[in-house]
Amino acid sequence: DAGVIQSPRHEVTEMGQEVTLRCKPISGHNSLFWYRQTMMRGLELLIYFNNNVPIDDSGMPEDRFSAKMPNASFSTLKIQPSEPRDSAVYFCASSLESLAEAFFGQGTRLTVV
Amino acid sequence: RKEVEQDPGPFNVPEGATVAFNCTYSNSASQSFFWYRQDCRKEPKLLMSVYSSGNEDGRFTAQLNRASQYISLLIRDSKLSDSATYLCVVNQGGSYIPTFGRGTSLIVHP
Repeated sequence: DAGVIQSPRHEVTEMGQEVTLRCKPISGHNSLFWYRQTMMRGLELLIYFNNNVPIDDSGMPEDRFSAKMPNASFSTLKIQPSEPRDSAVYFCASSLESLAEAFFGQGTRLTVV
Repeated sequence: RKEVEQDPGPFNVPEGATVAFNCTYSNSASQSFFWYRQDCRKEPKLLMSVYSSGNEDGRFTAQLNRASQYISLLIRDSKLSDSATYLCVVNQGGSYIPTFGRGTSLIVHP
């Protein structure tokens, strides 16, 4: 079985550019999470979708960040415009339901210069 | 106060040692608990779930203390390959979202 698939694995972009991160969750999972990991703050939840509907986006830092889940097999996290402080590893994770264990993708390492 | 707290370590132990990590959580209504392992520059991976009665998987034992709101992970007979960061996860809040601790770094040396 394929796990959670994220793309790209690495992204280097200039400040002010738009960045789009992509995620394909495990088939059959109805919960999807976007996390950001930095040395300073650890793993922080950005947004949680259940059955494609955003349930909790209180972790989204500011209006520059947006996330969508148009169907059960695809989600995007967009940063526009990007800033150097957005540099981090962004993980997508999915689970059968929110109480179950979450399975992570390999992450996207974003560097904004 | 952080919702899920862990001692960041690092814990530096020799091979064969027994090491224990604790994790405290703030929400008494938390429903499910896990330990994850994260290797350098990799994604977190589930190590084991934590059940109310405590559970064991080979050299690893996890326990939950609801009264004191903490979970623990015990690793016996440490191996070099156990070197990693161990993340405590608590599903809490109205939507029972997985909330991660900052992780505890373990270094097992020869």
